[in-house]
Amino acid sequence: GAGVSQSPSNKVTEKGKDVELRCDPISGHTALYWYRQSLGQGLEFLIYFQGNSAPDKSGLPSDRFSAERTGGSVSTLTIQRTQQEDSAVYLCASSLALGSGANVLTFGAGSRLTVL
Amino acid sequence: ELKVEQNPLFLSMQEEKNYTIYCNYSTTSDRLYWYRQDPGKSLESLFVLLSNGAVKQEGRLMASLDTKARLSTLHITAAVHDLSATYFCAVDDSLSGQNFVFGPGTRLSVLP
Repeated sequence: GAGVSQSPSNKVTEKGKDVELRCDPISGHTALYWYRQSLGQGLEFLIYFQGNSAPDKSGLPSDRFSAERTGGSVSTLTIQRTQQEDSAVYLCASSLALGSGANVLTFGAGSRLTVL
Repeated sequence: ELKVEQNPLFLSMQEEKNYTIYCNYSTTSDRLYWYRQDPGKSLESLFVLLSNGAVKQEGRLMASLDTKARLSTLHITAAVHDLSATYFCAVDDSLSGQNFVFGPGTRLSVLP
């Protein structure tokens, strides 16, 4: 597609339920990032995928969070047993990751998660 | 750990005035990016700065990078209301394993 696509755009769930958020990056982009943005706050890094390398999971806030990227393309962020503090906008971005050159991230529109 | 700071965090300015937003970072990276975020929207790339002394300009915005001082500036000239948004700087130090760390953002309001 022309841009980074995220779904759902809006998700309301009850505390304790599991949720899955999907990201479809720009075709050919080898790098994929997940960030979390709470209301009025900055971007909190969650996880980074680069090609076939092991993902950098250093930003995942707890073991309730996991992510996978199948076939080097679509990624799914899963949050198990959601808590109210998980409420935020989850942003996905992708890039060509051109080594030492420019590495401009293109962001999706985000998935707004509300945990009641 | 790579840290990226911005100041001010909030900026309210009048139209036609000039101001500068500062971005300090703690690594030796020479890859610095500026993004804009409108309320309720995602982030949009503004500038890419890839070397010491790099300067980029687009309309009323000009960004520069001083890698020795580990400082980037975003200068606003003769502000207009349409520039109201949150501006983020981000540093990419992927060559050392620290990927794309964003500053906290500067929320700019341009008042008529």
